[in-house]
Amino acid sequence: GAGVSQTPSNKVTEKGKYVELRCDPISGHTALYWYRQSLGQGPEFLIYFQGTGAADDSGLPNDRFFAVRPEGSVSTLKIQRTERGDSAVYLCASSPRTGTTDTQYFGPGTRLTVL
Amino acid sequence: AQSVTQLGSHVSVSEGALVLLRCNYSSSVPPYLFWYVQYPNQGLQLLLKYTSAATLVKGINGFEAEFKKSETSFHLTKPSAHMSDAAEYFCAVIQETSGSRLTFGEGTQLTVNP
Repeated sequence: GAGVSQTPSNKVTEKGKYVELRCDPISGHTALYWYRQSLGQGPEFLIYFQGTGAADDSGLPNDRFFAVRPEGSVSTLKIQRTERGDSAVYLCASSPRTGTTDTQYFGPGTRLTVL
Repeated sequence: AQSVTQLGSHVSVSEGALVLLRCNYSSSVPPYLFWYVQYPNQGLQLLLKYTSAATLVKGINGFEAEFKKSETSFHLTKPSAHMSDAAEYFCAVIQETSGSRLTFGEGTQLTVNP
């Protein structure tokens, strides 16, 4: 079946602009995760959802970052007043539940470049 | 706080040689451990995971890893490298007390030489 999809695959924006990154999880998966991967580093956790609610948003770096999942499926990561330091690959993952041993299935990522 | 250390940011082996990628974790309680592989321009793919069952875990593509509590290690091995194994490999942990977030190491880039 279809895997996790993310759009756009690449996004170039200017400093100070607003961006939205979209994630379509695997159908039926109730848990959804966002991670950020900077060049040469491993992914870092941002936030995860169980259903429509954010179960843990402690990884969001500051209040410019916000994520929603209004219907418990598609999620949007929103970044206000982008800064050059926000440039990274933003990864989305989903899993059937939020069990600690459940496999997280990753999408291909959105590469964000802030000029 | 838990952390993961991957020794060697770059590992180079010859085709047919043993692959050994090292991962150590720091945790007072043994966590759940994962190895993911990332091919260029693709998403992370799970190779294998340790979830408190057998300490020797077999994964896809001929990879396996052994959980050693005394050494706080979870090294990834493959007896014979193939050209298609060239990729970046990430070790990750989940601590049950910290929810289901993955904490990743910095990754090891594996190069396979003909």
